[in-house]
Parts: sequence; C-alpha cells; structure tokens
Amino acid sequence: EAGVAQSPRYKIIEKRQSVAFWCNPISGHATLYWYQQILGQGPKLLIQFQNNGVVDDSQLPKDRFSAERLKGVDSTLKIQPAKLEDSAVYLCASSPFGQGAYSSPLHFGNGTRLTVT
Amino acid sequence: SQQGEEDPQALSIQEGENATMNCSYKTSINNLQWYRQNSGRGLVHLILIRSNEREKHSGRLRVTLDTSKKSSSLLITASRAADTASYFCATSGGSYIPTFGRGTSLIVHP
Repeated sequence: EAGVAQSPRYKIIEKRQSVAFWCNPISGHATLYWYQQILGQGPKLLIQFQNNGVVDDSQLPKDRFSAERLKGVDSTLKIQPAKLEDSAVYLCASSPFGQGAYSSPLHFGNGTRLTVT
Repeated sequence: SQQGEEDPQALSIQEGENATMNCSYKTSINNLQWYRQNSGRGLVHLILIRSNEREKHSGRLRVTLDTSKKSSSLLITASRAADTASYFCATSGGSYIPTFGRGTSLIVHP
C-alpha cells in the first residue's frame, strides 16, 4: 500500500510569512494526526481528525495555526504568521481506526522540515 | 497529558551487542507503543503492547511492560549498524491519542 504522502519536503520562509503543508493519508484511514517535532524532541500532537471532524486540537496554537480535512481524506496545515519558534518538522500520520478499545499503530509520512528565518 | 520519558537519552554500542532502552510514564495507560525514526524520516511503528500484556516479541525486538512500575523496556538483540536511529515510546490513555517521549538516540558502530 502507498504510504502517507507529505509535501513540500522542505520549506524556508521569513518570520511573519505564511506557509501551508499538505498531507495525503493511506487510503481508507479514518484518523489523521498532525505532529510538530522540534529538533531533539519527540513529536507533539497538534491536531487529530477522525474522518473530517476534529477530535482534539487542544495543543494547536489557534491564533496562528489552522488545519482542515475536507471530505475526510487530504489535510492541510497552515501557519499564519510564522514565528521563529515554529521551525520544526511537521509530521502527518494516519491510522485505520478511530478511538476504541484498541489503538492501532500510526503510519507516518516523512514530514515537512520548516525553517523560519 | 501523560508522556513517556525514555532513558538513556543516548546509547552507543558495537554491532552484535544488545541495546536496552527504557520508558517511564506517570499515569495509567491503555497501551504503549515503540517507534523508530531514522534521520530525516518519519517514525516507523515497531511494537504495540496493551496494558494487560507483560511481554511481546517481534524478530530481534522484545518489549516488556510493568504497569505497577509504570515502565516499559525495549530490547534489541544482536544489534546491527542499520539499527542506528532514534527510538520513541508513545503512551495512550483514555483518549487513545499517542503521546511521545523525547526518545533515545542509538548508535551502533560496525
């Protein structure tokens, strides 16, 4: 099966500019996650979708970050305006099942490395 | 939110040796997962162990879970240079959303 696709692979922008990341999950996967991974740290959840509904966005800085998952498939994550501390790798992951008695493994894309100068 | 913390932060061994890394967490969990991340790549799932399980094996990997001590360990036997990567544990509680630790950086010297 094709893996999780993310683009672009790299992005360099100046602070206060806007940027958008795109994710195409594995076909049929109901749940989609966006994680932020700062260098030397583990991934931190930004938002979780189940189909096209938001399950958890409690750690998403909503004054500058937004995300959508139209039609329950592809997703975009936007930052506007970007700050220096947003420099990180943005990882998209998907899993076949929603919340339930048993969690299923996450399938990650290779991420988008964002550098804000 | 609960979060696993891996120990050690860095581990350097010779090919053929065993590598053991530990994960501790603070609150009760439904399951715990281990992932590997090669430099510049996404995370790859290794093993999921549920709270009612104590040990699982997958190839050269062995994971244990001690819920009374709120800890887990990942053992890689007969390590290879290709095992060089960062390893993360991820805990899931009531929300079933995996929360990751900072990871252990493993270097296996040929």
